[in-house]
Amino acid sequence: DTGVSQDPRHKITKRGQNVTFRCDPISEHNRLYWYRQTLGQGPEFLTYFQNEAQLEKSRLLSDRFSAERPKGSFSTLEIQRTEQGDSAMYLCASSWAGTAGWTEAFFGQGTRLTVV
Amino acid sequence: SQKIEQNSEALNIQEGKTATLTCNYTNYSPAYLQWYRQDPGRGPVFLLLIRENEKEKRKERLKVTFDTTLKQSLFHITASQPADSATYLCALAGYGGATNKLIFGTGTLLAVQP
Repeated sequence: DTGVSQDPRHKITKRGQNVTFRCDPISEHNRLYWYRQTLGQGPEFLTYFQNEAQLEKSRLLSDRFSAERPKGSFSTLEIQRTEQGDSAMYLCASSWAGTAGWTEAFFGQGTRLTVV
Repeated sequence: SQKIEQNSEALNIQEGKTATLTCNYTNYSPAYLQWYRQDPGRGPVFLLLIRENEKEKRKERLKVTFDTTLKQSLFHITASQPADSATYLCALAGYGGATNKLIFGTGTLLAVQP
């Protein structure tokens, strides 16, 4: 396993267009997270999955954002009708969490979105 | 609401000195506290994890303390090197309800001068 991979690494889109990002987590991890990060800030929680179930979605996330994790494997994050304020680095991370405890999160390299 | 605060200003220190970074949290009872390093344009990389029943954890030149009464963690890098220059992120995780996810602080930028 080569770690968490994200695709694409960079995306430039025009305002109003839809974009979709993909994340492939470490295969044995049951948790998958999406974060958004802007310059000088820490990763801001967007949503997370436990296997295929989406357990929480940030209240900061508008209805234009949707995420899926079919069959508990890879995940996609879609942003509809993009706005300039959506420009950010979108990070995916995976980890294992259960009653026996948590492991550290492994992050992908991120997808840099620029909305023009 | 849950809040995680880290030193908002950059920390500048001389090579060889000990860097100490602070993480404070409110409205939260985490079971785990983690520290990550992030270099520009890259995803965070895990450094250390400490559990709520542990007071201190060490790994090579790194040391983390966790005070659940003060709701604070301190992260120390001893014998600092210019290669330690990066942003350091504190992250909390717990069990149940709103704590059942990994959330991050704003990060502290550390600059080690040669």
